[in-house]
Amino acid sequence: QLQLQESGPGLVKPSETLSLTCTVSGGSVTSSIYYWGWIRQSPGKGLEWIGSISYNGNAYYNPSLKSRVSISGDTSKKQFSLKLSSVTAADTAIYYCAREKYYDYNAYTHFFFDHWGQGSLVTVSS
Amino acid sequence: QSVLTQPPSVSGAPGQRVTFSCSGSSSNIGAGYDVHWYQHLPGTAPKLLIYANTNRPSGVPDRFSGSKSGTSASLAITGLQAEDEGDYYCQSYDSTLSGSVFGGGTKLTVL
Repeated sequence: QLQLQESGPGLVKPSETLSLTCTVSGGSVTSSIYYWGWIRQSPGKGLEWIGSISYNGNAYYNPSLKSRVSISGDTSKKQFSLKLSSVTAADTAIYYCAREKYYDYNAYTHFFFDHWGQGSLVTVSS
Repeated sequence: QSVLTQPPSVSGAPGQRVTFSCSGSSSNIGAGYDVHWYQHLPGTAPKLLIYANTNRPSGVPDRFSGSKSGTSASLAITGLQAEDEGDYYCQSYDSTLSGSVFGGGTKLTVL
């Protein structure tokens, strides 16, 4: 059974960099049909996709966060990491890591998240 | 403001049928990108409920069904149960944003 677990500081100061790691167990991280993504949920709001990375290191990001986000992976450790710089209170959220499956159909590539971690609450406060 | 639009809340009595709507545009659902649905129960991780518009992952009861038409999609739950209470999100891909987009979520209350 595939499991994902987020880890990292629960409190980050404004203007600093938020760093989280997702550790994958019970499955491979090198399959070419999956990406590995980060999604967050701010208090009282819906889900927001942050970005994703492929097994070979290709990353793509939400344009609204792109200037501050970096996602990297370490397949040997079965981990992938999120860094979000210059954080403000608006970045306070539960951060989820998830496996993102993609497939081609009708001339398009489609994406969905089939396994999620439990989430990690990160509060931005001085 | 989410790219995909969902009503904030729906409610129903046990045993009833409820539906959730998800409205998009010509750069996502209307362009032909598939819609996926997630169930987010309090204190748990979001769970994939429906993928590729109509497909249920293994273990998801057939009380849950999805459909898509034009620029919108719907999720239906029949035989509503108390444990279904939670938030439901739709998700698709947007060609303008070049990434996944979610609806704002609909909170289901079982009366």
